[in-house]
Amino acid sequence: DQQVKQNSPSLSVQEGRISILNCDYTNSMFDYFLWYKKYPAEGPTFLISISSIKDKNEDGRFTVFLNKSAKHLSLHIVPSQPGDSAVYFCAASMNYGGSQGNLIFGKGTKLSVKP
Amino acid sequence: DSGVTQTPKHLITATGQRVTLRCSPRSGDLSVYWYQQSLDQGLQFLIQYYNGEERAKGNILERFSAQQFPDLHSELNLSSLELGDSALYFCASTAGGLRGDTQYFGPGTRLTVL
Repeated sequence: DQQVKQNSPSLSVQEGRISILNCDYTNSMFDYFLWYKKYPAEGPTFLISISSIKDKNEDGRFTVFLNKSAKHLSLHIVPSQPGDSAVYFCAASMNYGGSQGNLIFGKGTKLSVKP
Repeated sequence: DSGVTQTPKHLITATGQRVTLRCSPRSGDLSVYWYQQSLDQGLQFLIQYYNGEERAKGNILERFSAQQFPDLHSELNLSSLELGDSALYFCASTAGGLRGDTQYFGPGTRLTVL
């Protein structure tokens, strides 16, 4: 039973265009969401996060949007660059009183940015 | 380089065997998390330690155990290995182990059970 779903295993985008990666969740108790990026032979690297009290968070070329009513979040990368080619994981956590930080991850979306 | 180290990078063993994976957190981080990534799966949370004590448990099998030592490094022990245990095992560390702390991941240990 997957609580965090990334339904697109892969996405191909042209350099300079927008990349949109999507993520759906089923557990309404999730209130903190993150995106991680992973290159081959490396561990995941934190990219950006959003709390459920917000609907948008921006950091440079990366913006995460949260639609709580739809239980959906998306990561926008504008403009996309070849170096953005990686696997992107969506992750979520719920408030256990703040003392537990474990994350629930989606299966990932492989982004390929073509020059 | 996240500052989290994991050894070994690769491990090949046979069914029924026991292995130990090691993780050294970033300097100053008190909390360590272990995750398993099987083929075509997202990272599955296994267990969290904070300053030597178990803080949270996920879908960790009874055949698996972990501990965090006084120097804060952690070991994940996998016993009676089965083919399905073949996976990438990641550890991550955070300063306080609190929700919202950024988790810094090591490069992972790839375990192959033959």
